[in-house]
Amino acid sequence: EPEVTQTPSHQVTQMGQEVILRCVPISNHLYFYWYRQILGQKVEFLVSFYNNEISEKSEIFDDQFSVERPDGSNFTLKIRSTKLEDSAMYFCASSEVNTQYFGPGTRLTVL
Amino acid sequence: SQQGEEDPQALSIQEGENATMNCSYKTSINNLQWYRQNSGRGLVHLILIRSNEREKHSGRLRVTLDTSKKSSSLLITASRAADTASYFCATDAYSGGGADGLTFGKGTHLIIQP
Repeated sequence: EPEVTQTPSHQVTQMGQEVILRCVPISNHLYFYWYRQILGQKVEFLVSFYNNEISEKSEIFDDQFSVERPDGSNFTLKIRSTKLEDSAMYFCASSEVNTQYFGPGTRLTVL
Repeated sequence: SQQGEEDPQALSIQEGENATMNCSYKTSINNLQWYRQNSGRGLVHLILIRSNEREKHSGRLRVTLDTSKKSSSLLITASRAADTASYFCATDAYSGGGADGLTFGKGTHLIIQP
């Protein structure tokens, strides 16, 4: 069964560094998403992407964040200058229409 | 903004019993989805119910939706130890533009005692 994959599974970085989180959505899906989950808290929507542009974004998704679909298979989330509070699980998801399928997540630790 | 809120926050039952979790939300929705998350793992999609549907079944899962009360319930019948996980409802608003972000609740942590 097709699934969303994410790399790396765990990323440790120093505060102020840039990180790129990678996702490979399910191949025939058209809509892509990033979410985050701070430890012990709710899953929060960051951004959605369709037809090579941002479709919707939340208040969390500020200028520090950017997304890109650099080729036909990858979907990336870049955090430009990481802060301690960016430490969280980051989930990528994709959908053909409404049902969103999530990847296993990348645990980002900012030191 | 809309929110899904589940109750109870935690539920512990014996294997074989049925587990019922509830979810409430605040604004009009297009769809409501239920997800499962095992500790430290990703979200597994369980079931989607559309705003014009009242009940849906999938295996041992039964989901109901009452849009007049802005609430949904997830029933897991004949629970198994492997059902131990956190369960979340997630809603999306009809914006007409597609690619709607989901709003998640805090989840119900379900423990199945063997």
